[in-house]
Amino acid sequence: DADVTQTPRNRITKTGKRIMLECSQTKGHDRMYWYRQDPGLGLRLIYYSFDVKDINKGEISDGYSVSRQAQAKFSLSLESAIPNQTALYFCATSEAGFTGELFFGEGSRLTVL
Amino acid sequence: AQSVSQHNHHVILSEAASLELGCNYSYGGTVNLFWYVQYPGQHLQLLLKYFSGDPLVKGIKGFEAEFIKSKFSFNLRKPSVQWSDTAEYFCAVKDTDKLIFGTGTRLQVFP
Repeated sequence: DADVTQTPRNRITKTGKRIMLECSQTKGHDRMYWYRQDPGLGLRLIYYSFDVKDINKGEISDGYSVSRQAQAKFSLSLESAIPNQTALYFCATSEAGFTGELFFGEGSRLTVL
Repeated sequence: AQSVSQHNHHVILSEAASLELGCNYSYGGTVNLFWYVQYPGQHLQLLLKYFSGDPLVKGIKGFEAEFIKSKFSFNLRKPSVQWSDTAEYFCAVKDTDKLIFGTGTRLQVFP
């Protein structure tokens, strides 16, 4: 089983719909991150969390929200999806003493029509 | 804030050719630099990292990178690529408590 699990792996939705992407981890890491990947733009940080009570905005947080339900769970929500949120979304974790090594999930491909 | 730039967007090589992918970071001082690789259909995984010490860093699968402070560079190299090296490669820099990624370089290796 993967250490960092994302669901769903693929999702097609319509403009205006609310979407939640979920991430769970068994690595016991305190820190969790959400990135989006777009061709030619690399990975951009949406939100990150150091623990359940500590959530921080990344460089592209507009249009997204997150919830850290437990140490092991970090969800990303699109309250009203729009087509330019079509992307590949990655969840990642790291240890509390951040060395820069991230452990990624398999990714969630979201298409907004 | 730190940033990284990767100037090679798409590189096409034949097997056994040598590889060098460029990466430049934005400003000096203490930097922690990384190369991540994403094989087709897979998630990103760490290839190698530089924190301090020897500027020539060796990673998995025969890859290495050289930190050149005077050039603000951390280029990735491999003497002889294989078809299985086909992937996207991302340079990244640690910025306080997060990683900032470059835009990636897509490498295609043909037999």
